[in-house]
Amino acid sequence: GEDVEQSLFLSVREGDSSVINCTYTDSSSTYLYWYKQEPGAGLQLLTYIFSNMDMKQDQRLTVLLNKKDKHLSLRIADTQTGDSAIYFCAESRFSSSASKIIFGSGTRLSIRP
Amino acid sequence: NAGVTQTPKFRVLKTGQSMTLLCAQDMNHEYMYWYRQDPGMGLRLIHYSVGEGTTAKGEVPDGYNVSRLKKQNFLLGLESAAPSQTSVYFCASRDGQDNQPQHFGDGTRLSIL
Repeated sequence: GEDVEQSLFLSVREGDSSVINCTYTDSSSTYLYWYKQEPGAGLQLLTYIFSNMDMKQDQRLTVLLNKKDKHLSLRIADTQTGDSAIYFCAESRFSSSASKIIFGSGTRLSIRP
Repeated sequence: NAGVTQTPKFRVLKTGQSMTLLCAQDMNHEYMYWYRQDPGMGLRLIHYSVGEGTTAKGEVPDGYNVSRLKKQNFLLGLESAAPSQTSVYFCASRDGQDNQPQHFGDGTRLSIL
């Protein structure tokens, strides 16, 4: 996962917006994903964006993509306690045999009252 | 509505013991994956399969073997468990069309003493 980088921790106040950032390296990546992992559970796909898009919005979630800088962000509006989790950024990458998904190390989002 | 099911959920082994982790998916997905998740390192791909009867090495394959005898099942084997294999193991599957997202199981927590 060292080719996809994220900060390890983020703390925000309940009701504020959370912005989780990610950088990736492969310019040929076509899809970029955000997954959420709650304690004791697997990864749940939150949203994804195609590389020819700049932005995608889905209710409280906004994904921004800066392809030039290879920078992806996830904004969570009106952050709630239920948003506490680890958030993984991931990129799809083609190899000779199959496309693979490369994950970042995850950002742990904690919510303070 | 099962999705991806992993068994067992927890297991404690002694060094040198062997065991098999089972992953089953009911979505008729072509691709299946085994990852391990360790603190601060995100997800690392162990092995993957692009179809029944085929397997391939991922990022960290040493010490593990896999088999995909049936399309719906992907088995991960540890022939001689080592303490370094203490981890949480996740199975994932996805449709064979390019860039479809992966669906994850809830994980198997494995401790090697």
